[in-house]
Amino acid sequence: EVQLVESGGGLVQPGGSLRLSCAASGFTFSNYWMHWVRQFPGKGLEWVSRINNDGSSIMYADSVRGRFTISRDNAKNTLYLQMNSLRAEDTAVYYCLPPTFDPWGQGTLVIVSS
Amino acid sequence: VVMTQSPLSLPVTLGQPASISCRSSQSLVYTDGNTYLYWFHQRPGQSPRRLIYKVSNRDSGVPDRFSGSGSGTDFTLKISRVEAEDVGVYYCMQGTHWPLYTFGQGTKLEIK
Repeated sequence: EVQLVESGGGLVQPGGSLRLSCAASGFTFSNYWMHWVRQFPGKGLEWVSRINNDGSSIMYADSVRGRFTISRDNAKNTLYLQMNSLRAEDTAVYYCLPPTFDPWGQGTLVIVSS
Repeated sequence: VVMTQSPLSLPVTLGQPASISCRSSQSLVYTDGNTYLYWFHQRPGQSPRRLIYKVSNRDSGVPDRFSGSGSGTDFTLKISRVEAEDVGVYYCMQGTHWPLYTFGQGTKLEIK
């Protein structure tokens, strides 16, 4: 069974940093692209970033490019999202997802506030 | 690509049908001939769950009262007879114009 467990969220001040992690199991992690998607408090969904299976191809949404960095450790079956220069508008629940956008984990909540 | 759902609020009587429209600003037909249009359902307090992939394919465990249809830029999710467990928010999403995957605004289904 595919499982994705996000962690690392929390309360951070504007301009601060956080590193999210996503532990994957139940599938051959190293074979697949992975995504980060976020859900805002008003419930809208936004695709954030995508990384291919070996990390050689990475894409970002315009809203996070230059501030967020996606990476992965295939030996640890773990996906990461380094978030720098955080803004209030980054407040959201962050989900990691496989290329099929299924299943969704429980997500990790990031709150950017002073 | 902008995804526009309607209605945004959908009150439905139990046992009655429901229909949600999703329109894209560009055709969702990919160069491989597939159309990467997905539907997700999010129950209150839960994470989203994929219901439909590639326009009309139901995911495992999804009741057959759910059906997806459409082509090009116009798509529809239909529920033949709404049950109490169907409440929540429904989202469409396009995966054709990657990497700029985009979601609809969501349609909130509630029981009258």
